[in-house]
Amino acid sequence: ILNVEQSPQSLHVQEGDSTNFTCSFPSSNFYALHWYRWETAKSPEALFVMTLNGDEKKKGRISATLNTKEGYSYLYIKGSQPEDSATYLCAFTNTGNQFYFGTGTSLTVIP
Amino acid sequence: EPEVTQTPSHQVTQMGQEVILRCVPISNHLYFYWYRQILGQKVEFLVSFYNNEISEKSEIFDDQFSVERPDGSNFTLKIRSTKLEDSAMYFCASTTWETQYFGPGTRLLVL
Repeated sequence: ILNVEQSPQSLHVQEGDSTNFTCSFPSSNFYALHWYRWETAKSPEALFVMTLNGDEKKKGRISATLNTKEGYSYLYIKGSQPEDSATYLCAFTNTGNQFYFGTGTSLTVIP
Repeated sequence: EPEVTQTPSHQVTQMGQEVILRCVPISNHLYFYWYRQILGQKVEFLVSFYNNEISEKSEIFDDQFSVERPDGSNFTLKIRSTKLEDSAMYFCASTTWETQYFGPGTRLLVL
C-alpha cells in the first residue's frame, strides 16, 4: 500500500493570512499528483493535476508546486478567506489509473 | 455544467443483503472509479473501469464487489452480501484524462 502523507492535519488561520500545507508521496513510478478541495457535505472538487517535476499551477489565490524527485507538493493559499475553509486532499497516481489519497488538511479560516 | 450523479443518496440495508449503488458519469468521460470513505478514515480507491472492463482494483475490491456499465450510461457497484464494515460513503468519479469529477456520494449503512 502506497503511503501519501499530508501535514498539518488541521490548521486555523485568521482571515487575510497566507498559508501552505504539504503532501508527501512516493517518488518512484510517479505519474500525477492531484489536489482536491472538500467542503463539508459536498463531494471532493478537483483543484489541480500536476504531472511534471517543477510544475506550478495557480487558480485565483490558490497555487501548488510539485517536486517529483523528492516526493512532495505544496499548496499555498494567499490571503485566506472564510470560504476557503475546507479539507484539502491530495492524491497520487503511479499508473495513471489507481489513486492513493492522503488524509487531508482541514483548514479553518477565522473571520 | 455536466456533473456526476449518484443514487440513492442514502441506503440502509441488513447484513447479508445485496446492494447496488448507481452512478451516472459525465457523458464524454472515459474512465470511471469507485471510492469509499469509512467514517473518520481516508478516501480509499476501490476500482477503476475503462473500455467496459476493470482496469485496476484494490485489495478491498474482493469477490463480494462487482461493477458494471449495463447500458452505456449507468455505472453500478454491487456488493453481493453486505457486512457491517461495508458501511461507508461511496463515491463514484469519472474523468476524460486526468481531472476527476466526483459524484455526491451514497451513504451506505449496514445493520
